[in-house]
Amino acid sequence: GDQVEQSPSALSLHEGTGSALRCNFTTTMRAVQWFRKNSRGSLINLFYLASGTKENGRLKSAFDSKERYSTLHIRDAQLEDSGTYFCAAEDYNQGKLIFGQGTKLSIKP
Amino acid sequence: EAAVTQSPRNKVTVTGGNVTLSCRQTNSHNYMYWYRQDTGHGLRLIHYSYGAGNLQIGDVPDGYKATRTTQEDFFLLLELASPSQTSLYFCASKGLGVSYEQYFGPGTRLTVL
Repeated sequence: GDQVEQSPSALSLHEGTGSALRCNFTTTMRAVQWFRKNSRGSLINLFYLASGTKENGRLKSAFDSKERYSTLHIRDAQLEDSGTYFCAAEDYNQGKLIFGQGTKLSIKP
Repeated sequence: EAAVTQSPRNKVTVTGGNVTLSCRQTNSHNYMYWYRQDTGHGLRLIHYSYGAGNLQIGDVPDGYKATRTTQEDFFLLLELASPSQTSLYFCASKGLGVSYEQYFGPGTRLTVL
């Protein structure tokens, strides 16, 4: 089965609200990256975490290697936050990234 | 921030065609990667490289070859393209060391008719 399970697969929020995305890992991972794929198809780096939490503006991410999960919190959502969000876990073996299936986030006025 | 460029940005070919996708990174990163991304799926690793002349097989290598000619340049080759290879292709690079983030290019959309 998939080593990285991302949820939800789709999420709709009204402007100004917030929510969380989650990735669960079937095995211990070295680090996690979060990306947003924008309307032009480009992958934007959001976070890289080897442990703990990081915050950048309205986004906050956490990674717990021992408990095998990572989260991405969005607060005060804006229209430009729309897109598909991916988590990707870095394995210990060769440092490869294993991607989740993505969360399609839609922000509504 | 790392600069990774890809060319072409869009490509249409026919079944059996020969296609080369190019990737260049200008940050002296040792690691370079080729992924494909299909609707409803995350990115899947095709091939990767530790440095010039090195090639490692990824998770979905069938139908693809790759070549790393220099530190900067990594190419993905489809010698007999098939419709199942219609996809969005991303290149990425990562610095020396094991735990560094990957930086992605803008992607190449390939359509095989």
